[in-house]
Amino acid sequence: GAGVSQSPSNKVTEKGKDVELRCDPISGHTALYWYRQSLGQGLEFLIYFQGNSAPDKSGLPSDRFSAERTGGSVSTLTIQRTQQEDSAVYLCASSLGRSGSGNTIYFGEGSWLTVV
Amino acid sequence: GDSVTQMEGPVTLSEEAFLTINCTYTATGYPSLFWYVQYPGEGLQLLLKATKADDKGSNKGFEATYRKETTSFHLEKGSVQVSDSAVYFCALSDWSGGSNYKLTFGKGTLLTVNP
Repeated sequence: GAGVSQSPSNKVTEKGKDVELRCDPISGHTALYWYRQSLGQGLEFLIYFQGNSAPDKSGLPSDRFSAERTGGSVSTLTIQRTQQEDSAVYLCASSLGRSGSGNTIYFGEGSWLTVV
Repeated sequence: GDSVTQMEGPVTLSEEAFLTINCTYTATGYPSLFWYVQYPGEGLQLLLKATKADDKGSNKGFEATYRKETTSFHLEKGSVQVSDSAVYFCALSDWSGGSNYKLTFGKGTLLTVNP
């Protein structure tokens, strides 16, 4: 597609429920990233995919968070048993390769998650 | 670890005023430096970047120079417009330590430009 697409754009969920956030990266981009943007915390790295593998999951805040990527394309971030502190904007991004190779990272518009 | 510190704002200016948003960094290796912008209701967009010392990134009238000696990458624009109102993020990607795919961001600076 023309850009990184995320869905849903907004999600309100009850505490304790599971949520799934979807990301469609730019076609042909092998690298995919999830970041979280919350008030007072700025932008935090969550996970990096190269193809379908996730060599770095170090930013996932707890074992309630997981992510997968299939077909080297679509990725899903799953949050189980949501808590109020999970409320944030979850940003997906993609690049042709690793950003350190000089490849620009392109961000989606984010999924706004509110846990009530 | 790597970190980015930028002035938190908010910054409020009148149209045609001069803009500076300060950014300093700490990095283990030799980072690439970026400014991203987030307009209201939109996603993060790369504004400009610099990959080595003394490089100047520029775009849309904005400029920033990679200063290794002061570990800084301040964003400047000579004459801001109302349409520049947005949140600006300074970020780095560190080439060393095998984690050069990660962007480390500052907390962002909200800029409001009044007509």
